[in-house]
Amino acid sequence: QSVVTQPPSASGTPGQRVTISCSGSNSNIGSNYVYWYQQLPGTAPKLLIYRSTQRPSGVPDRFSGSKSGTSASLAISGLRSEDEADYYCAAWDDSLSGLVFGGGTKVTVL
Amino acid sequence: QVQLVESGGGLVKPGGSLRLSCAASGFTFSDYYMTWIRQAPGKGLEWVSYISGGGTTIYYADSVKGRFTISRDNAKSSLYLQMNSLRAEDTAVYYCARQVSGYDSGAFDIWGRGTMVTVSS
Repeated sequence: QSVVTQPPSASGTPGQRVTISCSGSNSNIGSNYVYWYQQLPGTAPKLLIYRSTQRPSGVPDRFSGSKSGTSASLAISGLRSEDEADYYCAAWDDSLSGLVFGGGTKVTVL
Repeated sequence: QVQLVESGGGLVKPGGSLRLSCAASGFTFSDYYMTWIRQAPGKGLEWVSYISGGGTTIYYADSVKGRFTISRDNAKSSLYLQMNSLRAEDTAVYYCARQVSGYDSGAFDIWGRGTMVTVSS
């Protein structure tokens, strides 16, 4: 069981806004940055959000990250079919002295 | 072209050993922290280990501590993962990834395609 928790699935229709939550504790999300990754089927993960809210160049502004206390969220606005993928959050855990990933959320575009 | 290419995966018996390699190109390898991350079939991502640019700072996940050893050869722009006492639960695709900075412990901007490790009798 992951130290950081995500819902296993989320869905929406094209154009909708979908939000994925990531819940942790004081030792990880509560005291460190959160990172988000998108993994399309059969490919390596891609960095979507770093330092909780920052987008790397090339990532559309439809993707946004937020953090409050021991929880974080990834929002996808204007949902598109190509957004259908697995999404993972991650944060450094001071107690474990290691990086922890959430279990992943599969986003389906209906 | 910035890229990472893993090699060394394969089928190994429980208790056996394997050494993974990751060849980097297109950037100054010694400037970057490097990481190994794995993904069991049909499962999520699991961080395994990271090493600083000079090799002096190393961390391991509890699940591999004492069995796996990360190392690097900056002259060869290569990252390694020596895996000993392998278990069935180590079966996974192993990715090497470039960490954006030493401060951003979870930001990996370049990933390899991965190499499959299967531990089975």
